Amino acid sequence: DGGITQSPKYLFRKEGQNVTLSCEQNLNHDAMYWYRQDPGQGLRLIYYSQIVNDFQKGDIAEGYSVSREKKESFPLTVTSAQKNPTAFYLCASSIGDTFGIGPGTRLTVL
Amino acid sequence: KQEVTQIPAALSVPEGENLVLNCSFTDSAIYNLQWFRQDPGKGLTSLLLIQSSQREQTSGRLNASLDKSSGRSTLYIAASQPGDSATYLCALANQAGTALIFGKGTTLSVSS
Repeated sequence: DGGITQSPKYLFRKEGQNVTLSCEQNLNHDAMYWYRQDPGQGLRLIYYSQIVNDFQKGDIAEGYSVSREKKESFPLTVTSAQKNPTAFYLCASSIGDTFGIGPGTRLTVL
Repeated sequence: KQEVTQIPAALSVPEGENLVLNCSFTDSAIYNLQWFRQDPGKGLTSLLLIQSSQREQTSGRLNASLDKSSGRSTLYIAASQPGDSATYLCALANQAGTALIFGKGTTLSVSS
């Protein structure tokens, strides 16, 4: 089955710790994206990558980092510099008109 | 910079009503527009995709229209059901292969 997987579904971390969210896709999509969603808000773009070994900042990149070493994987690290990291994080991928979105990871920083 | 606005933010209707959700955007030079559904605490489900050259798409009780010249799209839901209760998000791509830009959504509640 082709799709986008994000793990874990729920993640808890202590304040000040870095945490990495996983995103894997087997759709052979070229582009991958990370979005953040807060209550009552739409999705805001954090980072995106059009090809392997290349990525660009989105609208709210501060406090986040990414890597794109493989086409299938686009992990997101939430660093201690992110002032309000508790949110729902969605990973997406696309090729041409086809856009897929993963099930999301809900991160709670205690 | 492209901005996507959805009005109203919330809508409550009795079962059986036909309803329209609105989405507006500031730059008419779009590549495509999609409507998504999001259930509480869940991810997104794609409902309808309208290409820039198209004016509408239909799937079951759902019909989405696109008017680029006025910067508007509508999602029409016929004969609403309690199971339609969810948040509906409008999103568009300015160019092929670029990130989708999302509105904040309309939260729909259908009462039985």
